[in-house]
Amino acid sequence: NAGVTQTPKFRILKIGQSMTLQCAQDMNHNYMYWYRQDPGMGLKLIYYSVGAGITDKGEVPNGYNVSRSTTEDFPLRLELAAPSQTSVYFCASSYSFGQNEQFFGPGTRLTVL
Amino acid sequence: GENVEQHPSTLSVQEGDSAVIKCTYSDSASNYFPWYKQELGKRPQLIIDIRSNVGEKKDQRIAVTLNKTAKHFSLHITETQPEDSAVYFCAASMEAGYGNNRLAFGKGNQVVVIP
Repeated sequence: NAGVTQTPKFRILKIGQSMTLQCAQDMNHNYMYWYRQDPGMGLKLIYYSVGAGITDKGEVPNGYNVSRSTTEDFPLRLELAAPSQTSVYFCASSYSFGQNEQFFGPGTRLTVL
Repeated sequence: GENVEQHPSTLSVQEGDSAVIKCTYSDSASNYFPWYKQELGKRPQLIIDIRSNVGEKKDQRIAVTLNKTAKHFSLHITETQPEDSAVYFCAASMEAGYGNNRLAFGKGNQVVVIP
């Protein structure tokens, strides 16, 4: 099992550009999450999904969008990138919502200049 | 929603000594308390978790204790080794049906083991 995979590992964007961060898991988990981690800070939930076709906002959803067309994939879309979106983004998945281990991907380091 | 706080923010210990990190939570309905370890440049990984029906859980050199009355739980690392140097995140959540049951993370503790 590959677990949770993310692409790309690194990306530099110019202000106003858009991009999609890819996330996939092969553990057949219904629950998937996107977090951002700013330097010296904890994990802030951006969006989450409880199954294919169902997504909901987390703590910091502004400036992002998600979709979940399959159980395996949960891409995160950044529209009109801003310097405040410079961060490390982690995708995660779990068997249940909030009550079991969350498996994290390796992260995407994004810089917006 | 649930609010989780960790203390101290940074902890330095001599190799071989013990390290203790404490977390407090705000919602008495929370019943699941995991600890994640994040090494520099790596992803967070679960190292131990505890549910509210037990007061302590051990796994080799690490243990977690839970005080539901005081609403705090602690991570104990004994015989610390250089590979224990990392950021440790605590988190808390409640069962579905008790409102917002998202996993709420603390801001993390930096543990530095001095050889």
